[in-house]
Amino acid sequence: GDSVTQMEGPVTLSEEAFLTINCTYTATGYPSLFWYVQYPGEGLQLLLKATKADDKGSNKGFEATYRKETTSFHLEKGSVQVSDSAVYFCALGSNAGNMLTFGGGTRLMVKP
Amino acid sequence: SQTIHQWPATLVQPVGSPLSLECTVEGTSNPNLYWYRQAAGRGLQLLFYSVGIGQISSEVPQNLSASRPQDRQFILSSKKLLLSDSGFYLCAWSVDMDSSYGYTFGSGTRLTVV
Repeated sequence: GDSVTQMEGPVTLSEEAFLTINCTYTATGYPSLFWYVQYPGEGLQLLLKATKADDKGSNKGFEATYRKETTSFHLEKGSVQVSDSAVYFCALGSNAGNMLTFGGGTRLMVKP
Repeated sequence: SQTIHQWPATLVQPVGSPLSLECTVEGTSNPNLYWYRQAAGRGLQLLFYSVGIGQISSEVPQNLSASRPQDRQFILSSKKLLLSDSGFYLCAWSVDMDSSYGYTFGSGTRLTVV
């Protein structure tokens, strides 16, 4: 079945550091890929998505590229801020239906 | 535009008491609806999902049940709460039969069973 693997956290960075959160997936066909962000005490918000190979999703300075050859969708940001401290979830949507499969989440802590 | 409402935001309930959490979606019809639980510091656990009125699929055997009495209403219930039911409960909706849109989540309910 479908699965998503993300790097375990917490990831602790200083402000303005470069961020990479790794995400790899296993799925049949051509799934859609997503990054969600959860700020403390809130629900999940869609951060970005990509629906086909080589697509790049971007939002709020975050980027992720759909790499089918490596089955990856790594999240990157060039310069993190304290306000980026949150839990980040990678997810895939199977083209066989409408269920999303989520990774375990990665907590990011950014220190001033 | 579509919106999702979830309430209450926080709830403290004694062990053995009943539970009812409600989720409603506006601005769309025939959504797929989902209930997730998130234990402290943990990932998402899918509890129930529904593809239509009265159609409920349970993912994990537990002390909880779900109902969908109307197209855009999804209710999570328990007859007798356990301490282990504490957690952050999230409702979500999605477009039927198209995963490329992803899910839209509500703001969550923090349940503490004491």
